[in-house]
Amino acid sequence: NAGVTQTPKFRVLKTGQSMTLLCAQDMNHEYMYWYRQDPGMGLRLIHYSVGEGTTAKGEVPDGYNVSRLKKQNFLLGLESAAPSQTSVYFCASSSGDSGANVLTFGAGSRLTVL
Amino acid sequence: GQNIDQPTEMTATEGAIVQINCTYQTSGFNGLFWYQQHAGEAPTFLSYNVLDGLEEKGRFSSFLSRSKGYSYLLLKELQMKDSASYLCAVLDSNYQLIWGAGTKLIIKP
Repeated sequence: NAGVTQTPKFRVLKTGQSMTLLCAQDMNHEYMYWYRQDPGMGLRLIHYSVGEGTTAKGEVPDGYNVSRLKKQNFLLGLESAAPSQTSVYFCASSSGDSGANVLTFGAGSRLTVL
Repeated sequence: GQNIDQPTEMTATEGAIVQINCTYQTSGFNGLFWYQQHAGEAPTFLSYNVLDGLEEKGRFSSFLSRSKGYSYLLLKELQMKDSASYLCAVLDSNYQLIWGAGTKLIIKP
C-alpha cells in the first residue's frame, strides 16, 4: 500500500519557468491538499479539494493552480516560478470524515527556484 | 488573527521524559492534532484531542485544556529515534487546520 506518492522529489527551476507537481493516493480518500513548508513557519495550505472535479483556495494560493480530474490524483502547477516559491511542498489526503480528520502526507517535493 | 505557539527547540536525554507545550488562539476549535516529522520526511499523525483531558498512547500522551487554549505532548522513556520535530495543529471553526511552526526535539545519549 503506497499511500501518498509525490513526484518529483527534487526540482530546480529558473525564474519564469513552469512545472507541475504530481500527487497520487491509493486510499480512496475524498480530500486532498497541497501545503508548503518553509523554515520557521507552520505548514501553509495552498489549495485543497473535497472531491473529484473540485478545488478550493487555501491560505497562500497566489502563483499556483491545481486540478483534480481523477479522485486519486491532485496536481499542483506553477505557471511562472518565482524565487519566493522555493520551498518543500507536501501533498496530503484524508477521508474527510467528521471528527479526527487525519492527514496522510506524501514524502515531499523540494523545489528550488533560481 | 489565528496563532499557534510552540517552543522552537528542546533538548532532552535518552530515557528521560519531555513535555512539549502548544498554546493556541484560533477562531473556534474543532480539535487539536500532534504530528511527528523526522528531518527530510513527511509529517505522521501522533494524536488527536477534542475534549479536555489526557489521551495516552504508549510512550506518548497528549493533554488538552480548551478553556486555557493549551495542549502538551508528553514523551516518556525517550529514545534516540524520537529526535524529530513535533507539529501542533488546531482545527478551527471552518474546519481548516492551523499549524504551529513545530518544535525540534534533540535527544542526547
